[in-house]
Amino acid sequence: SQTIHQWPATLVQPVGSPLSLECTVEGTSNPNLYWYRQAAGRGLQLLFYSVGIGQISSEVPQNLSASRPQDRQFILSSKKLLLSDSGFYLCAWGQGGNQPQHFGDGTRLSIL
Amino acid sequence: GESVGLHLPTLSVQEGDNSIINCAYSNSASDYFIWYKQESGKGPQFIIDIRSNMDKRQGQRVTVLLNKTVKHLSLQIAATQPGDSAVYFCAETPFGNEKLTFGTGTRLTIIP
Repeated sequence: SQTIHQWPATLVQPVGSPLSLECTVEGTSNPNLYWYRQAAGRGLQLLFYSVGIGQISSEVPQNLSASRPQDRQFILSSKKLLLSDSGFYLCAWGQGGNQPQHFGDGTRLSIL
Repeated sequence: GESVGLHLPTLSVQEGDNSIINCAYSNSASDYFIWYKQESGKGPQFIIDIRSNMDKRQGQRVTVLLNKTVKHLSLQIAATQPGDSAVYFCAETPFGNEKLTFGTGTRLTIIP
């Protein structure tokens, strides 16, 4: 069966520090991969998605970037975090073609 | 519809009663619809989906109804249990699109 892993579960970082969040998927090949951010009590905002290795689409202008170095690995990064980068970051995978996306358990990022 | 920036509506239901959660969408090209359940501190969990060539689909204790004429989607949960307390999101996408658009979310609270 397919599984998705995100780590760390929680992270506290100072303003201006770098960020690297990792997401890996097991049990499937060539998945679409997604990064979302969710503010407290809000819906999901799509940040990036990828349909293949090295292919990244950015949905909103921001301080973050994404990379897909391997088929089942998706990384969210920042060189210098801002206070506004705080939030709950969720990774998801899907097979496209009108099939559901499946989410990891997220990383809660707090910027101090 | 877009979910970013909107506060969650809430619904309280007595344990054992049925609940109905509603979702309106605006894109007439929407072809595929999903309901997710999100418990506190976790990622959204897939519940049930429906394609636009159907108007009803049933799962275990859940039923999704789709009314394309008025662009309305609902999730019915039968005989609610305490474990049903969560935030429920609808999501939709046009045919062949790789991205989902999430609704605002509804917080369901089951009263013992």
